[in-house]
Amino acid sequence: KAGVTQTPRYLIKTRGQQVTLSCSPISGHRSVSWYQQTPGQGLQFLFEYFSETQRNKGNFPGRFSGRQFSNSRSEMNVSTLELGDSALYLCASSLTGAGESTEAFFGQGTRLTVV
Amino acid sequence: GDSVTQMEGPVTLSEEAFLTINCTYTATGYPSPFWYVQYPGEGLQLLLKATKADDKGSNKGFEATYRKETTSFHLEKGSVQVSDSAVYFCALTPNRDDKIIFGKGTRLHILP
Repeated sequence: KAGVTQTPRYLIKTRGQQVTLSCSPISGHRSVSWYQQTPGQGLQFLFEYFSETQRNKGNFPGRFSGRQFSNSRSEMNVSTLELGDSALYLCASSLTGAGESTEAFFGQGTRLTVV
Repeated sequence: GDSVTQMEGPVTLSEEAFLTINCTYTATGYPSPFWYVQYPGEGLQLLLKATKADDKGSNKGFEATYRKETTSFHLEKGSVQVSDSAVYFCALTPNRDDKIIFGKGTRLHILP
């Protein structure tokens, strides 16, 4: 079956702009999580959605937001972009959540560059 | 708060050498440890996991044993190959159906 699909793969934006990233989870998976990966901070959890509800949230400013649709597809939005938002954004899907009984499958990520 | 600490890289080894990447964690609740691998230009793949204390996860020749008493989940492989060159992340979920907390990652280079 198809894996986790993230679009676009690459983005270049200007400071102050906003951006929307998309994630299509594996069919049947209801949990979608987002992570930011940077060389300095490593992989940091942004938020998790389950059945269209945000279930968990990391320590990121309110400029970072997300949503999940009824088909489990998810989008994340970053407003008023800053240079420090340049990162690889990874989406992960799992059946019910990334706990011990379910595996989280990751997409290839969206590489965002803010100039 | 919950955290994962793993040995910093890069680690450079010759093919067929023995590999150990240390990983320790602090967590409340009932954590479940994982190892993920990231090959160049790709997302993360689950390498192995453990679900309870003293469990040994294994995959592709890699092994790790969940030691609750030392809060560790060290990754080992008896004979590495060039194709094992990648970044390895130790991770855990503090509780079931929780977010994943990652270590900083260890870059592994295997020389032919």
